[in-house]
Amino acid sequence: QQQVKQSPQSLIVQKGGISIINCAYENTAFDYFPWYQQFPGKGPALLIAIRPDVSEKKEGRFTISFNKSAKQFSLHIMDSQPGDSATYFCAASKGQGAQKLVFGQGTRLTINP
Amino acid sequence: EAGVVQSPRYKIIEKKQPVAFWCNPISGHNTLYWYLQNLGQGPELLIRYENEEAVDDSQLPKDRFSAERLKGVDSTLKIQPAELGDSAVYLCASSLYPPEQFFGPGTRLTVL
Repeated sequence: QQQVKQSPQSLIVQKGGISIINCAYENTAFDYFPWYQQFPGKGPALLIAIRPDVSEKKEGRFTISFNKSAKQFSLHIMDSQPGDSATYFCAASKGQGAQKLVFGQGTRLTINP
Repeated sequence: EAGVVQSPRYKIIEKKQPVAFWCNPISGHNTLYWYLQNLGQGPELLIRYENEEAVDDSQLPKDRFSAERLKGVDSTLKIQPAELGDSAVYLCASSLYPPEQFFGPGTRLTVL
Protein backbone atom coordinates (compact mmCIF):
# COMPACT_ATOMS: atom_id res chain seq x y z
CA GLN A 1 0.00 0.00 0.00
CA GLN A 2 1.57 3.22 -1.16
CA GLN A 3 0.74 5.83 1.43
CA VAL A 4 2.45 8.77 -0.29
CA LYS A 5 2.04 9.24 -4.03
CA GLN A 6 4.41 11.58 -5.83
CA SER A 7 4.17 13.12 -9.29
CA PRO A 8 5.53 13.61 -11.84
CA GLN A 9 8.14 10.85 -12.08
CA SER A 10 10.38 13.14 -14.10
CA LEU A 11 10.38 16.85 -14.86
CA ILE A 12 12.37 19.06 -17.19
CA VAL A 13 12.43 22.81 -16.52
CA GLN A 14 14.31 25.62 -18.16
CA LYS A 15 16.81 27.58 -16.12
CA GLY A 16 15.08 30.37 -14.27
CA GLY A 17 11.71 28.63 -14.36
CA ILE A 18 9.57 27.27 -11.54
CA SER A 19 9.74 23.56 -10.74
CA ILE A 20 6.65 22.08 -9.09
CA ILE A 21 6.48 18.58 -7.60
CA ASN A 22 3.33 17.23 -6.01
CA CYS A 23 2.56 14.66 -3.34
CA ALA A 24 -0.67 13.20 -2.05
CA TYR A 25 -1.09 11.21 1.13
CA GLU A 26 -3.78 8.92 2.48
CA ASN A 27 -3.22 8.71 6.20
CA THR A 28 -4.72 11.70 8.01
CA ALA A 29 -2.58 10.88 11.04
CA PHE A 30 0.52 12.14 9.20
CA ASP A 31 1.75 15.34 10.79
CA TYR A 32 5.22 15.95 9.44
CA PHE A 33 5.99 16.42 5.74
CA PRO A 34 9.61 16.84 4.64
CA TRP A 35 11.18 17.09 1.23
CA TYR A 36 14.54 15.51 0.52
CA GLN A 37 16.99 16.17 -2.31
CA GLN A 38 19.22 13.36 -3.53
CA PHE A 39 22.16 13.59 -5.92
CA PRO A 40 23.54 10.45 -7.62
CA GLY A 41 25.73 8.46 -5.26
CA LYS A 42 24.67 10.52 -2.23
CA GLY A 43 22.18 10.05 0.55
CA PRO A 44 18.96 12.08 0.72
CA ALA A 45 19.48 15.56 2.17
CA LEU A 46 16.72 17.31 4.11
CA LEU A 47 15.60 20.35 2.15
CA ILE A 48 12.54 21.74 3.90
CA ALA A 49 9.70 20.41 6.03
CA ILE A 50 6.24 21.50 7.12
CA ARG A 51 3.68 20.68 9.79
CA PRO A 52 -0.06 20.72 8.98
CA ASP A 53 -0.74 23.77 11.15
CA VAL A 54 0.57 26.05 8.39
CA SER A 55 -0.33 26.19 4.70
CA GLU A 56 3.00 27.39 3.37
CA LYS A 57 6.66 27.47 4.35
CA LYS A 58 9.42 29.20 2.44
CA GLU A 59 13.18 28.81 2.71
CA GLY A 60 15.12 30.70 0.07
CA ARG A 61 14.02 29.50 -3.36
CA PHE A 62 12.18 26.50 -1.93
CA THR A 63 8.53 26.64 -0.84
CA ILE A 64 6.21 23.95 0.49
CA SER A 65 2.49 24.47 -0.08
CA PHE A 66 0.22 22.34 2.08
CA ASN A 67 -3.48 21.62 1.55
CA LYS A 68 -4.79 19.66 4.52
CA SER A 69 -8.34 19.19 3.20
CA ALA A 70 -7.06 17.79 -0.10
CA LYS A 71 -4.32 15.79 1.65
CA GLN A 72 -1.76 17.20 -0.75
CA PHE A 73 1.48 19.09 -0.50
CA SER A 74 3.88 20.38 -3.09
CA LEU A 75 7.41 21.66 -3.49
CA HIS A 76 8.03 24.78 -5.55
CA ILE A 77 11.55 25.67 -6.63
CA MET A 78 11.73 29.24 -7.83
CA ASP A 79 14.38 30.46 -10.30
CA SER A 80 15.45 26.86 -10.92
CA GLN A 81 19.17 26.38 -11.55
CA PRO A 82 21.14 23.55 -13.21
CA GLY A 83 22.56 22.74 -9.77
CA ASP A 84 19.02 21.88 -8.65
CA SER A 85 19.04 18.88 -11.02
CA ALA A 86 18.54 15.93 -8.68
CA THR A 87 15.92 13.47 -7.49
CA TYR A 88 13.43 14.88 -5.01
CA PHE A 89 11.47 12.80 -2.51
CA CYS A 90 8.50 13.82 -0.45
CA ALA A 91 7.86 11.97 2.78
CA ALA A 92 5.50 11.85 5.71
CA SER A 93 5.48 10.60 9.27
CA LYS A 94 2.96 10.48 12.06
CA GLY A 95 2.79 10.82 15.79
CA GLN A 96 5.18 12.01 18.41
CA GLY A 97 8.74 10.87 18.57
CA ALA A 98 10.98 9.09 16.16
CA GLN A 99 8.50 7.56 13.80
CA LYS A 100 9.56 6.26 10.43
CA LEU A 101 9.37 8.35 7.29
CA VAL A 102 7.16 7.04 4.48
CA PHE A 103 8.63 8.20 1.18
CA GLY A 104 7.13 8.94 -2.19
CA GLN A 105 8.53 7.35 -5.35
CA GLY A 106 10.72 10.30 -6.24
CA THR A 107 10.87 12.88 -9.05
CA ARG A 108 13.90 13.23 -11.25
CA LEU A 109 14.29 16.94 -11.94
CA THR A 110 16.43 18.22 -14.81
CA ILE A 111 17.09 21.93 -15.21
CA ASN A 112 18.20 22.81 -18.73
CA PRO A 113 20.68 25.69 -18.98
CA GLU B 1 29.70 19.04 12.35
CA ALA B 2 30.43 15.67 10.76
CA GLY B 3 27.53 13.94 9.09
CA VAL B 4 26.45 10.32 9.23
CA VAL B 5 29.32 8.07 8.22
CA GLN B 6 28.78 4.76 6.49
CA SER B 7 31.17 2.09 5.30
CA PRO B 8 31.89 0.53 2.99
CA ARG B 9 30.50 2.77 0.27
CA TYR B 10 30.34 -0.07 -2.22
CA LYS B 11 30.27 -3.83 -1.81
CA ILE B 12 30.11 -6.60 -4.39
CA ILE B 13 29.56 -10.15 -3.19
CA GLU B 14 28.47 -13.52 -4.50
CA LYS B 15 25.02 -14.74 -3.52
CA LYS B 16 24.85 -16.76 -0.32
CA GLN B 17 27.82 -14.84 1.11
CA PRO B 18 27.47 -12.76 4.28
CA VAL B 19 27.88 -8.98 4.27
CA ALA B 20 27.93 -6.28 6.94
CA PHE B 21 27.42 -2.53 6.82
CA TRP B 22 28.57 -0.07 9.45
CA CYS B 23 27.09 3.27 10.46
CA ASN B 24 28.37 6.02 12.74
CA PRO B 25 25.59 8.54 13.44
CA ILE B 26 25.97 12.26 14.04
CA SER B 27 27.39 12.83 17.52
CA GLY B 28 24.65 13.04 20.14
CA HIS B 29 21.90 11.62 17.93
CA ASN B 30 20.11 8.99 19.99
CA THR B 31 17.83 7.74 17.24
CA LEU B 32 19.28 5.68 14.39
CA TYR B 33 17.52 4.27 11.35
CA TRP B 34 18.44 1.80 8.63
CA TYR B 35 16.63 2.22 5.33
CA LEU B 36 16.70 0.20 2.11
CA GLN B 37 16.57 2.07 -1.19
CA ASN B 38 15.95 0.14 -4.37
CA LEU B 39 16.88 1.69 -7.68
CA GLY B 40 14.43 4.43 -8.65
CA GLN B 41 12.50 4.15 -5.40
CA GLY B 42 12.21 6.03 -2.15
CA PRO B 43 13.87 4.66 0.99
CA GLU B 44 11.97 2.13 3.11
CA LEU B 45 12.60 1.67 6.81
CA LEU B 46 14.21 -1.57 7.94
CA ILE B 47 14.83 -0.86 11.62
CA ARG B 48 14.84 2.02 14.08
CA TYR B 49 16.87 2.31 17.27
CA GLU B 50 16.34 4.48 20.32
CA ASN B 51 19.78 4.41 21.92
CA GLU B 52 20.65 0.70 21.92
CA GLU B 53 17.05 -0.55 21.80
CA ALA B 54 15.43 -1.65 18.54
CA VAL B 55 11.97 -0.08 18.81
CA ASP B 56 10.70 -0.79 15.28
CA ASP B 57 12.04 -3.77 13.35
CA SER B 58 8.77 -4.88 11.79
CA GLN B 59 10.12 -4.42 8.23
CA LEU B 60 13.39 -6.26 8.83
CA PRO B 61 13.49 -9.72 7.16
CA LYS B 62 14.67 -11.48 10.28
CA ASP B 63 15.44 -14.79 8.57
CA ARG B 64 18.51 -13.27 6.94
CA PHE B 65 18.92 -9.73 8.27
CA SER B 66 20.18 -8.74 11.70
CA ALA B 67 21.25 -5.46 13.25
CA GLU B 68 22.83 -4.25 16.44
CA ARG B 69 23.67 -0.96 18.05
CA LEU B 70 26.07 -1.61 20.87
CA LYS B 71 26.54 1.20 23.40
CA GLY B 72 23.88 3.22 21.60
CA VAL B 73 26.26 4.80 19.09
CA ASP B 74 27.56 2.87 16.07
CA SER B 75 25.37 0.31 14.36
CA THR B 76 25.94 -2.69 12.14
CA LEU B 77 23.48 -4.22 9.69
CA LYS B 78 24.20 -7.76 8.53
CA ILE B 79 22.80 -9.98 5.79
CA GLN B 80 23.46 -13.71 5.88
CA PRO B 81 23.11 -15.23 3.38
CA ALA B 82 22.72 -12.54 0.72
CA GLU B 83 20.33 -13.08 -2.18
CA LEU B 84 20.24 -11.49 -5.62
CA GLY B 85 17.23 -9.40 -4.61
CA ASP B 86 19.21 -7.76 -1.81
CA SER B 87 21.09 -5.62 -4.33
CA ALA B 88 20.21 -2.06 -3.30
CA VAL B 89 21.52 0.95 -1.41
CA TYR B 90 21.46 0.64 2.38
CA LEU B 91 21.06 4.01 4.04
CA CYS B 92 21.66 4.93 7.65
CA ALA B 93 20.04 8.01 9.17
CA SER B 94 20.17 9.59 12.60
CA SER B 95 18.07 12.06 14.50
CA LEU B 96 18.44 14.34 17.52
CA TYR B 97 15.00 15.92 17.25
CA PRO B 98 12.69 13.39 15.61
CA PRO B 99 11.20 13.16 13.11
CA GLU B 100 13.92 15.28 11.49
CA GLN B 101 16.36 12.75 10.04
CA PHE B 102 19.78 13.12 8.47
CA PHE B 103 21.03 10.50 6.06
CA GLY B 104 24.45 9.09 5.35
CA PRO B 105 25.78 8.48 1.83
CA GLY B 106 24.68 4.85 1.84
CA THR B 107 26.31 1.55 0.95
CA ARG B 108 25.60 0.26 -2.53
CA LEU B 109 25.38 -3.54 -2.42
CA THR B 110 25.62 -5.66 -5.54
CA VAL B 111 24.92 -9.37 -5.20
CA LEU B 112 26.12 -11.50 -8.12
